[in-house]
Amino acid sequence: DGGITQSPKYLFRKEGQNVTLSCEQNLNHDAMYWYRQDPGQGLRLIYYSQIVNDFQKGDIAEGYSVSREKKESFPLTVTSAQKNPTAFYLCASSSPLGQGAYGYTFGSGTRLTVV
Amino acid sequence: KNEVEQSPQNLTAQEEEFITINCSYSVGISALHWLQQHPGGGIVSLFMLSSGKKKHGRLIATINIQEKHSSLHITASHPRDSAVYICAVMPAYFGGRNQFYFGTGTSLTVIP
Repeated sequence: DGGITQSPKYLFRKEGQNVTLSCEQNLNHDAMYWYRQDPGQGLRLIYYSQIVNDFQKGDIAEGYSVSREKKESFPLTVTSAQKNPTAFYLCASSSPLGQGAYGYTFGSGTRLTVV
Repeated sequence: KNEVEQSPQNLTAQEEEFITINCSYSVGISALHWLQQHPGGGIVSLFMLSSGKKKHGRLIATINIQEKHSSLHITASHPRDSAVYICAVMPAYFGGRNQFYFGTGTSLTVIP
């Protein structure tokens, strides 16, 4: 079955270390997204990519970096510059450009804890 | 300013109760999702709506585009329905991002 795979489900890191969260999709979707969830707040957009080798900052991109070398993969690196990295991270993808919300699929998320 | 408002924030119900969760939004939208998030964080999409009503098992979702309002109903609630329910809307026009805006969620606890 097609879908989005995020791994790992739980991740622990020491403060000051960079960490990379994986997101893979086999839906042939062009667009991929990373969102962050904090307690009491709605999910917020970190980065998005509408096509391979191109990505754009979302609303809260500071302290994060991404790459989109393959259509299937959109890894997110949480750098040491991110002041509050502990959060739930959600990856999503969507169907070809112009089709809006149709075919929008969510991953199951990664909970990152920095100690 | 939050484009998506959900109510209530927390809800406790007895098993078999009929439950309603509401979502109001302030922008024109192309679609709305209802998501379910269980303890541990995994998110599942329950419904995607652009008009009318959808039903899946004991879950019913409705949307009124003119009033910018959607409801999620759970009939004959069960303890396994305990989760956080999140409303997410995609604005009709947002410079091509196809980005969702999310509500803060409704935490539902169903007591046996």
